[in-house]
Amino acid sequence: DAKTTQPPSMDCAEGRAANLPCNHSTISGNEYVYWYRQIHSQGPQYIIHGLKNNETNEMASLIITEDRKSSTLILPHATLRDTAVYYCIVRVGGGAQKLVFGQGTRLTINP
Amino acid sequence: DAGVIQSPRHEVTEMGQEVTLRCKPISGHDYLFWYRQTMMRGLELLIYFNNNVPIDDSGMPEDRFSAKMPNASFSTLKIQPSEPRDSAVYFCASSRGGGISNQPQHFGDGTRLSIL
Repeated sequence: DAKTTQPPSMDCAEGRAANLPCNHSTISGNEYVYWYRQIHSQGPQYIIHGLKNNETNEMASLIITEDRKSSTLILPHATLRDTAVYYCIVRVGGGAQKLVFGQGTRLTINP
Repeated sequence: DAGVIQSPRHEVTEMGQEVTLRCKPISGHDYLFWYRQTMMRGLELLIYFNNNVPIDDSGMPEDRFSAKMPNASFSTLKIQPSEPRDSAVYFCASSRGGGISNQPQHFGDGTRLSIL
């Protein structure tokens, strides 16, 4: 599975959009981009995933560049409860089910 | 819909004792995963099952660790004998098989294990 690079930490004001970048320059054509987050002392929580098209659900939007070498997770109106570590993971679809977690981005939402 | 259920939530025991962690996956999910999280190593996959059969146990640290899945609704992770370096939070997760577009994994709240 391709390796990802994320900033170790970010801050965002409550009510503003939080944009979390992820670099995956070695991604293969059949690898999906997944985002999970982990709120303190809880298990990781699935947010969203995509292959090459932008995706949106009730939690967030995922923007994948045309060359697929990077992506951005957008939390449109961040709240204090969005403070968490956010993990960007790439994984082959239809193949092994392993998720390899990196260090992620520690996002702090400030009041 | 109940999520992944793990027990116990906290376990404190002395070195050398046997430890058994339990997991009930989400009904209908045919994949089950065990992860371990420490400050030093982050989240690591230990083993995963498909339809109750172990598929990849390459992350199991050593022979002291064993995992079983006797049926679709129950799995155990056992450590015998336990050592202080096994102290960590252990997570169980489950997912449906998703074909080309893999289904997401759903995690339990973990077992916080402390070996004294």
